Amino acid sequence: AQSVTQPDIHITVSEGASLELRCNYSYGATPYLFWYVQSPGQGLQLLLKYFSGDTLVQGIKGFEAEFKRSQSSFNLRKPSVHWSDAAEYFCAVGYEKLTFGTGTRLTIIP
Amino acid sequence: DTGVSQDPRHKITKRGQNVTFRCDPISEHNRLYWYRQTLGQGPEFLTYFQNEAQLEKSRLLSDRFSAERPKGSFSTLEIQRTEQGDSAMYLCASRPSGPSYNEQFFGPGTRLTVL
Repeated sequence: AQSVTQPDIHITVSEGASLELRCNYSYGATPYLFWYVQSPGQGLQLLLKYFSGDTLVQGIKGFEAEFKRSQSSFNLRKPSVHWSDAAEYFCAVGYEKLTFGTGTRLTIIP
Repeated sequence: DTGVSQDPRHKITKRGQNVTFRCDPISEHNRLYWYRQTLGQGPEFLTYFQNEAQLEKSRLLSDRFSAERPKGSFSTLEIQRTEQGDSAMYLCASRPSGPSYNEQFFGPGTRLTVL
C-alpha cells in the first residue's frame, strides 16, 4: 500500500531564511510524487511534481524538491521564504489515487 | 476562470439530512476525482471517474455516499442521512488523460458542517 509521512507537523521560520520540508513515501513502483500548497479555506495548488528523469525538480514560487530513491524521500526546499509562503504543505504520491501526508503547517515570522 | 469549480462552497446541515455537492471539472478533462479532507489531515481519496464510468471507490465511501457523472462532464456527490463525522472539506479534482501523465487540478472545495 502506498503511504506518505510528513514528520513535521508545524515549522516556524524567519522571513528570508531557508526552508526544508520533509517527505518520505512508500510506493510499490516508480513513484509519481507531488507537493501541493493549501492556504486557509482554499483548495490545493500544485507546487511541483516528479514523474521521472532529473531528480531535482523546480516548481513555482521558487520551490524545488529532490527525489532520493535510496531514502524514499522527496523533500521540498526554498532558499529564502517570504511571508506569503505561510500555508499548509502536502506531499502526495500516486497515479490515479493520490495518497497525501498529514501536512506541514508553515509559519513565517518577521 | 476555467479551473475546477465546486458548488456550494459551504453547506451547513442537520444530522440525518441529505446533501448533494456539484463539481465542474476543467473542460475536456475526462478524469474526475473526489477527496475528503478532515481538520488537520491531508485529503483522502474517495472515488474517481473516467468520463461517466466510476472506476474506483474507496472503502471510505460508505453506502450513504454516492457519486455520479452522468454525461461525463460535471459530477455530483450525495451523502444520505448525514452524520456529524461527515463534517469535512470535500475536494474535487480533474485531469486530462493522454499519452503523457498530467497532474490533478483541484477545486476550492465544499466545506460541510453537520450539526
